[in-house]
Amino acid sequence: GAGVSQSPSNKVTEKGKDVELRCDPISGHTALYWYRQSLGQGLEFLIYFQGNSAPDKSGLPSDRFSAERTGGSVSTLTIQRTQQEDSAVYLCASSPGGGGGRNEQFFGPGTRLTVL
Amino acid sequence: AQSVTQLGSHVSVSEGALVLLRCNYSSSVPPYLFWYVQYPNQGLQLLLKYTSAATLVKGINGFEAEFKKSETSFHLTKPSAHMSDAAEYFCAVSDPWGTGFQKLVFGTGTRLLVSP
Repeated sequence: GAGVSQSPSNKVTEKGKDVELRCDPISGHTALYWYRQSLGQGLEFLIYFQGNSAPDKSGLPSDRFSAERTGGSVSTLTIQRTQQEDSAVYLCASSPGGGGGRNEQFFGPGTRLTVL
Repeated sequence: AQSVTQLGSHVSVSEGALVLLRCNYSSSVPPYLFWYVQYPNQGLQLLLKYTSAATLVKGINGFEAEFKKSETSFHLTKPSAHMSDAAEYFCAVSDPWGTGFQKLVFGTGTRLLVSP
């Protein structure tokens, strides 16, 4: 079956503009995660969704970052007033419900964001 | 807070040689542990995971890892390196309790270089 897909694969934007990154999880997966991969910070957790709700937003770096999930499926990560330090690869992952931390997270190919 | 430490940002081996990538965790209780591989411009792919069953875990592509509680380690090994193993490898940890959804905390990664 289809894996996790993300769009766009690459996004170049100017400082101060807003961007939206999209994630399509594996069908039936109730958990959805966003991570950020950057040279200076490595792989860091941003937010996760259980269904359409986000119990843990602890990793969002500032209030310029927000995310939503609709219909228990597609998720959008929005970055407002982008800054150069937002440049990174944004990875989305999904996993089946339940089972706690033992469940494998399936990752998408990522969106490479470059802020000029 | 949980964390993982990967010793060596780069490891170089010759084709056919033993691969050893080191990972040590810090946690008050034995956590769940994962090894992921990332090929250039791709997302993360799970190699193997430890979820409190057998301490010696076998994964894909001939990789295995052994959970050693006394050493708080989960080192990744492969008896004979192949050119196709060249990639970046990430060790990750998640909480072992509950049935909810658990974020992954990643190490800084180790880039494996394989020479002919």
